[in-house]
Amino acid sequence: DAGVIQSPRHEVTEMGQEVTLRCKPISGHDYLFWYRQTMMRGLELLIYFNNNVPIDDSGMPEDRFSAKMPNASFSTLKIQPSEPRDSAVYFCASGQSGEQYFGPGTRLTVT
Amino acid sequence: QKEVEQNSGPLSVPEGAIASLNCTYSDRGSQSFFWYRQYSGKSPELIMFIYSNGDKEDGRFTAQLNKASQYVSLLIRDSQPSDSATYLCASLDNYGQNFVFGPGTRLSVLP
Repeated sequence: DAGVIQSPRHEVTEMGQEVTLRCKPISGHDYLFWYRQTMMRGLELLIYFNNNVPIDDSGMPEDRFSAKMPNASFSTLKIQPSEPRDSAVYFCASGQSGEQYFGPGTRLTVT
Repeated sequence: QKEVEQNSGPLSVPEGAIASLNCTYSDRGSQSFFWYRQYSGKSPELIMFIYSNGDKEDGRFTAQLNKASQYVSLLIRDSQPSDSATYLCASLDNYGQNFVFGPGTRLSVLP
């Protein structure tokens, strides 16, 4: 298995633009997680899905953030409109509850 | 607020020594505990998990859990410079629905 795949690996955009991050989980994993990591705040759980259903989105910082999982092999995290404070590394992980396997991350820079 | 706490470090140990990484958690409902390692610029990777009180050994790594004291630790024997990384502790409740990462401890193994 290729592991968790994320795209793009790097994204630079201007404030106010829409950003869409993509994730392909490992086949057979029931859970999918979206995290954000910054030096100041560490690793933050944004939202997670179980069998494609969002279970807990309490970590989503604002209505500007939304996530979808239309099927077992694909998920998106969208930020609209983006702001400079959204600059971070965004990780997608899949697994079975606590045993999570992380993708390489998307480094987002909003100028 | 369910929290997992770790000393941010850096923890410096000489090569060949035992590195001891500690973690405390606030939620008594937490049942499972995970240790992730994150190299600089990389994504976290799972190295061990523990569910029961006591010790669990895997190669040079030993995880220790004391639920009465709400304390988890990770021991790394014969530390190598390649062990230098940030180690993240995480907890999961017995419903499998509250997964919380600690802020991580940065370990530096000096040659």
